[in-house]
Amino acid sequence: QKEVEQDPGPLSVPEGAIVSLNCTYSNSAFQYFMWYRQYSRKGPELLMYTYSSGNKEDGRFTAQVDKSSKYISLFIRDSQPSDSATYLCAMSALYELIFGQGTELSVKP
Amino acid sequence: DAEITQSPRHKITETGRQVTLACHQTWNHNNMFWYRQDLGHGLRLIHYSYGVQDTNKGEVSDGYSVSRSNTEDLPLTLESAASSQTSVYFCASSGAGEVADTQYFGPGTRLTVL
Repeated sequence: QKEVEQDPGPLSVPEGAIVSLNCTYSNSAFQYFMWYRQYSRKGPELLMYTYSSGNKEDGRFTAQVDKSSKYISLFIRDSQPSDSATYLCAMSALYELIFGQGTELSVKP
Repeated sequence: DAEITQSPRHKITETGRQVTLACHQTWNHNNMFWYRQDLGHGLRLIHYSYGVQDTNKGEVSDGYSVSRSNTEDLPLTLESAASSQTSVYFCASSGAGEVADTQYFGPGTRLTVL
């Protein structure tokens, strides 16, 4: 079993939909949780960063962490075609990041 | 502006050849990382360095080596390229002294081993 599991998709939604992306993990030592966005043929870029449990909101994006369930989520409200990308969850106990497999999202106009 | 660059962007080589992928960052970051990205596996850590002369093995280090002689560069060497090393390789860097600091990624190198 991988330390971090993420549904690879692909996920296709119409413009304006609410998108939910999820990851589960097994290592209870993880305390830093991140979401990276990767456009086609580009390097990943940090989208959201959360420490420990709780919610964090940034514009149309909300990151949730539930450490008791070892489950993290990224919600995208009012999704736009420009949100079409691969979303990777990543987590860490200290320095080393462990990534999920990435979920490919397509937002159709 | 500070940046992280990788070269070459595309490389085709033959089995058994030695290949070196370059990574250069101008963030003045102490921490540098090499990952490979394959379908179904996400990003997997190959090697990482927390400073000059420091190198560490990651999850998938067999067949790869790195050396860190200055802050800016962390070249990745495939000693004897194998078809299983066909992948997209990303270099990343982050600041020192901050746990799980933001990693900034380069644009990637697409390597094909024939």
